[in-house]
Amino acid sequence: KQEVTQIPAALSVPEGENLVLNCSFTDSAIYNLQWFRQDPGKGLTSLLLIQSSQREQTSGRLNASLDKSSGRSTLYIAASQPGDSATYLCAVRMDSSYKLIFGSGTRLLVRP
Amino acid sequence: GAVVSQHPSWVICKSGTSVKIECRSLDFQATTMFWYRQFPKQSLMLMATSNEGSKATYEQGVEKDKFLINHASLTLSTLTVTSAHPEDSSFYICSAPRAGASNEQFFGPGTRLTVL
Repeated sequence: KQEVTQIPAALSVPEGENLVLNCSFTDSAIYNLQWFRQDPGKGLTSLLLIQSSQREQTSGRLNASLDKSSGRSTLYIAASQPGDSATYLCAVRMDSSYKLIFGSGTRLLVRP
Repeated sequence: GAVVSQHPSWVICKSGTSVKIECRSLDFQATTMFWYRQFPKQSLMLMATSNEGSKATYEQGVEKDKFLINHASLTLSTLTVTSAHPEDSSFYICSAPRAGASNEQFFGPGTRLTVL
């Protein structure tokens, strides 16, 4: 059974820092991996999707990497801003069913 | 990106009543949609897979008679919480995958249900 873990559970950094969020999964036979952002009381916003054949994806200040063999993905946020404060969730898709298995999330606070 | 909407965004109801939540894909068709619930400061828990034109598939431990799902069209799925109780209070979120090269999933804004 696939298990997805995110470390750390919470993170507080001063504005301007570069930071890394970690996601690990136990079964490396994934279809793809997706990173989401969730603001309090809101739905999820898709940030980046990495296919199983890819190593990384970039969007603006965000870079996500994937190492299937070791069961890890990282989300790198450059030059963090207070507006980046949110919960970041990673989710893996195992097969063609589109079902996603979520990690427990990392709550990020970027202090001005 | 694609847009998925939910209605209502929040609802308060009395214990014993039924509540219907709608999930719509606004700019693409979705033969499959997913319903999740989320407790405070916890991650999303998949409840069921909604299939257009056929019965929903429920995850283990989710009561299908309690949470009725209807996927009536390619853009609409509804979740009805029947005979709601305070323990059903939660944040309910739907998602829809958009078929194509990206296979991305798009999520609705969520519905906050409070049962008194």
